[in-house]
Formats: sequence, structure tokens, C-alpha cells
Amino acid sequence: EVQLVESGGGLVQPGGSLRLSCAGSGFIFSSYEVNWVRQAPGKGLEWISYITESGNVIFYADSVKGRFTISRDNAKSSVYLQMNSLRVDDTAVYFCARMGEWNLRLGDPYYHAMDVWGQGTRVTVSS
Amino acid sequence: DVQMTQSPSSLSASVGDRVTITCRASQSISPYVNWYQQKPGKAPKLLIYAASSLQSGVPSRFSGSGSGTDFTLTISSLQPEDFATYYCQQSFNKRGFGGGTKVEIK
Repeated sequence: EVQLVESGGGLVQPGGSLRLSCAGSGFIFSSYEVNWVRQAPGKGLEWISYITESGNVIFYADSVKGRFTISRDNAKSSVYLQMNSLRVDDTAVYFCARMGEWNLRLGDPYYHAMDVWGQGTRVTVSS
Repeated sequence: DVQMTQSPSSLSASVGDRVTITCRASQSISPYVNWYQQKPGKAPKLLIYAASSLQSGVPSRFSGSGSGTDFTLTISSLQPEDFATYYCQQSFNKRGFGGGTKVEIK
């Protein structure tokens, strides 16, 4: 079964750190970009970071740039999100998502969408 | 960065209704738009990728269209299991989401 499983969430004080993990199984993990997406209580989805298959291209949302670091270990089929200088407004459920890839016609570019999601891990930042 | 503006933020509809949700991008990004469905307490589920391609296993009552900056998700005949929140997402530049549309029972 193709799946992603997040872990590492919990309660942390403002200014603290936490490391989230996302473990993949049932597919060739090293062939896929992986994203982190979060959802604050009662709010919409917010994309926060992605890392390409080999890890050589990384992007962050402005809201987390300089505080969060994404990395991956393809030998362990895992992606990580190191979160430092946590703030109350980082409180959310954090999802990892695989970026599927499709080529609709020969010669077309590839199209990407988040086709496999983990169940999410809850992060609460509070004193 | 590309901004995605989704409308309406919520709507009330009845079973069997045709429902349309729109998403406007801050620049032309065709066809790098995807649509997701999320139910309370669950992870999002991919419905449509590349603006109009139906993800495997998704019912054919869901369809996507649009080009340039304006994109639409249509549910041709709303079913009880379709009451949920829907999000658009762009994969043109980084990976931002629209604000979401909650579809509620009238």
C-alpha cells in the first residue's frame, strides 16, 4: 500500500524546536518530490515547503523561511522538517504530501499535484 | 509568488444541485492548477490535476476547466458524500493554495 506517515508532533513552548518526520512506503520514495502543508485550527491549507527528489532544490513559504529546514534521506525513505524559533501561530496539523507527476501528451511538460498524503501530525506551540 | 483567490468561501446546496467553485490566479498559470477535497479531520484528497484531468478513482461528476488566470471546479450533481471543503492549488511557482470553499447542506 502506498502511504506516508508523519511523526514528531507535540507540545512545545514559543521559541522552541521540533523535528517532524515523514516516512514513505509502497513506492519508490527517491523518485518523488515531497511537500509539507499545514492547517491551523479552523483555517485553510497552507503550503510551507518542498524538496525535490534528490534534495537539490528546496523552496519555503515566506512564513517559515529562515526558521524551518526541510531535508530528506532517501535511504530511509524519509523527509524531515526541522522547525526552530517556533511561534504560537505555527500551531497546526502538519501534513506531508507526495508530488505525483503526469505527462499528458508527448512533448508536453510534466504536471504535478499532491496525490498521496499522510494523516498529519499535530504541533501545538503554547506556554 | 502566485496568489490564488478562491470564491465563494462557502455555499449552501442541495443533493442533485450543480455546484461551481472558482479560483483566480494573480498571473497566468495555465494549466498548473489542481483541486482537492477535504473532509473534517481528514487529509485532503486530489480530485483534478493540470486544470482538467480527473485523478484516478474520482467520480466523473467532478470536472475542472479554465485557462490563463481563471479556473473552475464543477460538481455536476451534488451527492451526500460531496459536502466538504474544496481547495485549488497552483504548481506553477512554488505550491500555494486558495483559501477554500466550504460546501454545506441547504
